[in-house]
Amino acid sequence: TQLLEQSPQFLSIQEGENLTVYCNSSSVFSSLQWYRQEPGEGPVLLVTVVTGGEVKKLKRLTFQFGDARKDSSLHITAAQPGDTGLYLCAGAHQGTYKYIFGTGTRLKVLA
Amino acid sequence: DTEVTQTPKHLVMGMTNKKSLKCEQHMGHRAMYWYKQKAKKPPELMFVYSYEKLSINESVPSRFSPECPNSSLLNLHLHALQPEDSALYLCASSPHRGQESNQPQHFGDGTRLSIL
Repeated sequence: TQLLEQSPQFLSIQEGENLTVYCNSSSVFSSLQWYRQEPGEGPVLLVTVVTGGEVKKLKRLTFQFGDARKDSSLHITAAQPGDTGLYLCAGAHQGTYKYIFGTGTRLKVLA
Repeated sequence: DTEVTQTPKHLVMGMTNKKSLKCEQHMGHRAMYWYKQKAKKPPELMFVYSYEKLSINESVPSRFSPECPNSSLLNLHLHALQPEDSALYLCASSPHRGQESNQPQHFGDGTRLSIL
């Protein structure tokens, strides 16, 4: 059962545009990670958020964990072609090693 | 370069073959994972090892047999696979300290498996 829904599923934008990807669940997660995966490679960790309401910035990427720790968002400012890839959120419940991945958002940034 | 190394990168095998996928990490992580990823889909958890002991098996068919010989190595033994088992198989590891669920996973680049 897929517990983490991401939206949108696909996004094609022009270089320089801003975008937001959402990761939603009805469950409370102890932590949530965001990954980016490029073709032929494994997912690469971007950030981990653990506190409700937490905001983390990584250059042009801003990550937010919802107050209730059920949802998260990823905002990219001034997207670049190098941002192209599959963005995945993954959540874990308290005291478990079982990470549940979101449905994924495939982003394409056109030059 | 990833800190989790998977071999081989590509594997083609027949349905009657026996092969093994290997994963190695030297970050001192004590939790290791196998995931299966089909094209254009997110990774699906298969197995989790914690301190070299199997802690999670997500009802994976017995034709997949995991093994953790030591804290740095994780194998996945394959036998009598089906064409629908063709996928990218990802290995990951994470630290084992404090709140387990807050420890991020580090992934290898995977083995792309094709079953003829």
